[in-house]
Amino acid sequence: GQNIDQPTEMTATEGAIVQINCTYQTSGFNGLFWYQQHAGEAPTFLSYNVLDGLEEKGRFSSFLSRSKGYSYLLLKELQMKDSASYLCAVRDNTGFQKLVFGTGTRLLVSP
Amino acid sequence: EAQVTQNPRYLITVTGKKLTVTCSQNMNHEYMSWYRQDPGLGLRQIYYSMNVEVTDKGDVPEGYKVSRKEKRNFPLILESPSPNQTSLYFCASSPRAGQGFEQYFGPGTRLTVT
Repeated sequence: GQNIDQPTEMTATEGAIVQINCTYQTSGFNGLFWYQQHAGEAPTFLSYNVLDGLEEKGRFSSFLSRSKGYSYLLLKELQMKDSASYLCAVRDNTGFQKLVFGTGTRLLVSP
Repeated sequence: EAQVTQNPRYLITVTGKKLTVTCSQNMNHEYMSWYRQDPGLGLRQIYYSMNVEVTDKGDVPEGYKVSRKEKRNFPLILESPSPNQTSLYFCASSPRAGQGFEQYFGPGTRLTVT
């Protein structure tokens, strides 16, 4: 089975940097996704990591350490529109494309 | 426009009245999936489909049925809805099963069963 842990809620200030952590335990790892979800809307894809290291996409970066079962999403130059929930999802290799989602981290960006 | 559509977006129904939530994608994706999202529990997979006529159970399949007769459509059927199926439902699709393919989500269907 899989277990994914994320902080429930975080707050940060506009223009700042925030790091959202995700730890996971899985019987077989085959990739980790980060999604953004605004309240009442569909999740949208942010990043994908399957190898150790940092993936950078503009203001967003995601890091993975497979040996530690750990990932983080780094958001730079925070904007008000970044207020949303951030979902960590892990795919295991025991089922095709089976994604298991964490409960999400709600980020509130204040002026 | 490439998208996943769901209908209806909102539905209030009564216990035991059969309903179907439709899902359609126009991206020729092989893989489709249904999730439900509940406060404190996150997104949980109900059923998924690898391709036409190939479906399998996810983590919470009880009380749901699906079918995949055409590539683009993946309806979710609740034969006898109960109040514990009140939830926000998302359909998702991706090009195919396999490493690295992100899932594209529909706009969601908010279902209330009284």
